[in-house]
Amino acid sequence: DAMVIQNPRYQVTQFGKPVTLSCSQTLNHNVMYWYQQKSSQAPKLLFHYYDKDFNNEADTPDNFQSRRPNTSFCFLDIRSPGLGDAAMYLCATSIGTSGSNEQFFGPGTRLTVL
Amino acid sequence: GQNIDQPTEMTATEGAIVQINCTYQTSGFNGLFWYQQHAGEAPTFLSYNVLDGLEEKGRFSSFLSRSKGYSYLLLKELQMKDSASYLCAVKNSNYQLIWGAGTKLIIKP
Repeated sequence: DAMVIQNPRYQVTQFGKPVTLSCSQTLNHNVMYWYQQKSSQAPKLLFHYYDKDFNNEADTPDNFQSRRPNTSFCFLDIRSPGLGDAAMYLCATSIGTSGSNEQFFGPGTRLTVL
Repeated sequence: GQNIDQPTEMTATEGAIVQINCTYQTSGFNGLFWYQQHAGEAPTFLSYNVLDGLEEKGRFSSFLSRSKGYSYLLLKELQMKDSASYLCAVKNSNYQLIWGAGTKLIIKP
């Protein structure tokens, strides 16, 4: 089945220790997104790629970086995690960005910062 | 600013009908989405509305009024598995998806 896969599902890191979250897709979609979602809050878009074109949200901290080495994979790097970065990180894909193009989500990675 | 408003929490009874409302103020409009999100899981797509009116899909229906900046999601014949959060999201003129915080729906037997 075509899908969006995220690894790991659960990640524990220490304050200040870099961590990388990964996302892969078999949908062959052009667009990949990274969201941060805290409990009972709306998903917050961090950045997205349209093909290799990187789009950073204005309020995404510099502590968050992303890489998309090819169509299928996208990585989220958190350079120095703080306690406030503990959240669910959701990867999503869409075929494009126009009106009806829905986003397909992976199962998420829950990040705990000790 | 841009914002999406939804009730924080609703409770309904198994077998009943519930309507979850969403109002929005965005810079332009290119469609409204409803997603379902079970606790600890990713959102899954339920519906998309871009024209005024009602879209029916099985037990779920979604309504849109662009002039009022208003949508609702109607869930019929509620089942326990419908206990989840329901997120409303609007695509603005820049094709950015603006998300609401979601409505937590609790189903009681």
